[in-house]
Amino acid sequence: DTEVTQTPKHLVMGMTNKKSLKCEQHMGHRAMYWYKQKAKKPPELMFVYSYEKLSINESVPSRFSPECPNSSLLNLHLHALQPEDSALYLCASSRNSGGALTGELFFGEGSRLTVL
Amino acid sequence: AQKITQTQPGMFVQEKEAVTLDCTYDTSDPSYGLFWYKQPSSGEMIFLIYQGSYDQQNATEGRYSLNFQKARKSANLVISASQLGDSAMYFCAMREGRGGGSQGNLIFGKGTKLSVKP
Repeated sequence: DTEVTQTPKHLVMGMTNKKSLKCEQHMGHRAMYWYKQKAKKPPELMFVYSYEKLSINESVPSRFSPECPNSSLLNLHLHALQPEDSALYLCASSRNSGGALTGELFFGEGSRLTVL
Repeated sequence: AQKITQTQPGMFVQEKEAVTLDCTYDTSDPSYGLFWYKQPSSGEMIFLIYQGSYDQQNATEGRYSLNFQKARKSANLVISASQLGDSAMYFCAMREGRGGGSQGNLIFGKGTKLSVKP
């Protein structure tokens, strides 16, 4: 069983809806990540939180809004999405961020988002 | 330029046989880490094995081993005694040190889809 839990596993939303994806880890990791993965493509980094502060935003549109309420939780708020935003959204965590020796990322099972 | 190259979009292997999945990388940073992840159709990315740039020996984890050839910038994954459950997408990934251009983030290759035949 994965130690990174994501909810919901599946989400269908209209372009005018507001929804949130949630991610939780209890491994004491201080870095958390959101990745977006389209079908048959590798994951693409969206955001990195390090010690609960946003450290990297890979030029993601503002209709995606990340939030890190505490060191165990990571949210991704969704508003006014487009059909092309339909993808698998993966959350991950690691001991810390940056540098080659910070260990592997642990991923959740992902939230499969469909925007109608 | 691509930092991680996986040249095999798809591979087939007979059950119980060994298979090698290719990965080459490009970095000028002396400090980096190489990772292999497995992604079944369920979506979860499962960590398999890690090799640090300063590690003297090739990494091994059960049926997985990493054939690390530093001079060739190659980090191939070897799966021994393939099982039907090994059918999945496999991603090679690299994390550079703070001196690298990727800010220490994980960079993925395009993946190789492995199919194990009974």
